[in-house]
Amino acid sequence: NAGVTQTPKFRVLKTGQSMTLLCAQDMNHEYMYWYRQDPGMGLRLIHYSVGEGTTAKGEVPDGYNVSRLKKQNFLLGLESAAPSQTSVYFCASSYSRGSGRALLYNEQFFGPGTRLTVL
Amino acid sequence: DAKTTQPTSMDCAEGRAANLPCNHSTISGNEYVYWYRQIHSQGPQYIIHGLKNNETNEMASLIITEDRKSSTLILPHATLRDTAVYYCIVRAINTGNQFYFGTGTSLTVIP
Repeated sequence: NAGVTQTPKFRVLKTGQSMTLLCAQDMNHEYMYWYRQDPGMGLRLIHYSVGEGTTAKGEVPDGYNVSRLKKQNFLLGLESAAPSQTSVYFCASSYSRGSGRALLYNEQFFGPGTRLTVL
Repeated sequence: DAKTTQPTSMDCAEGRAANLPCNHSTISGNEYVYWYRQIHSQGPQYIIHGLKNNETNEMASLIITEDRKSSTLILPHATLRDTAVYYCIVRAINTGNQFYFGTGTSLTVIP
């Protein structure tokens, strides 16, 4: 049981290049998230997904796209990287219990992070 | 989600209890208090959460005041491995699973 894994661990890009970060979880969680963390700051939510085939914007979505084609994978794409996107990116997943008004969300499990530098 | 206020940094002697405070004076009745921690360069790790009763698990204890406007995370016997940034987050458990992390408290456990 690997939990949440992220690929790659490190990457250096030039301005304008594109790349995709992969997040995978083997816990059968419905919910997955992408955060970024800049030096000395807390995590900020980029995009999230409440299930296969669905995605939604978080706090700082501009410049990023995501896809959730399979339940276990959540991809984060940068179409044209900018130096402002230099950051550490964390993926997380969680599950829920119940339904409707009794729907309860549980704690998030985080991956080890991807350190991205855009020159 | 209710805003939280935490001290920027704290020190604690190894083997002593670490008491990390959090103020959340605007908390609503359906909002829970969550604590996560982030050890250097790693992803955040869930510690504990509670609504109004005190909670304890294998990692820590959570003490919530009767008026729910503040809480304290207690690490009963701090070790060097507990050196980390601790985040206090307040959110309703049934209104979506977005967590808003602030800057947290940087705890340093001193040998």
